[in-house]
Amino acid sequence: KAGVTQTPRYLIKTRGQQVTLSCSPISGHRSVSWYQQTPGQGLQFLFEYFSETQRNKGNFPGRFSGRQFSNSRSEMNVSTLELGDSALYLCASTIVGSIGEKLFFGSGTQLSVL
Amino acid sequence: ILNVEQSPQSLHVQEGDSTNFTCSFPSSNFYALHWYRWETAKSPEALFVMTLNGDEKKKGRISATLNTKEGYSYLYIKGSQPEDSATYLCAFSDNAGNMLTFGGGTRLMVKP
Repeated sequence: KAGVTQTPRYLIKTRGQQVTLSCSPISGHRSVSWYQQTPGQGLQFLFEYFSETQRNKGNFPGRFSGRQFSNSRSEMNVSTLELGDSALYLCASTIVGSIGEKLFFGSGTQLSVL
Repeated sequence: ILNVEQSPQSLHVQEGDSTNFTCSFPSSNFYALHWYRWETAKSPEALFVMTLNGDEKKKGRISATLNTKEGYSYLYIKGSQPEDSATYLCAFSDNAGNMLTFGGGTRLMVKP
């Protein structure tokens, strides 16, 4: 069974640009959540999607958005990039997104904003 | 904003030593406590999910306990091995949805 796949693995962008990251969950998993990891900060929750609907949202500005497609694949978009957006972005999937389920993480996308 | 704290931040032990670390979280509105192991250059991997006060979970040499009334969980590693070197993350939820607040992690280094 294939794991959670994130693309691309690395991205370099400049301030003001926008970026789209992709996450394909494990087959059969319908919930996808996104996290940001920056140096000195723990993993911070961005948002969670289930059946194409955003169910939960973390404390991030509106420049961070996402969506989920009918095949459960999810994309995350960051507009008007800032230097502070440089981070490792992880997505994780679960079957139905209940809190009792273990998260299965992808390898992440390392975003560098210059 | 929920406060989830892990201690110590880092730990160096010798191979064969047993060790433990702590995750502290708010003691009200508890739903679940997760533990993950994150090895360098890999993805975080789930160890345990605990939902009931007094829960004890075990996986090989690693075990965890949970006290929701006082707001802490301990992770124990018996007879540490170099392959146990990783960052151990705990994550807490105060709601039924799939929304976790992670602690800053404990970085464990096991010397052969």
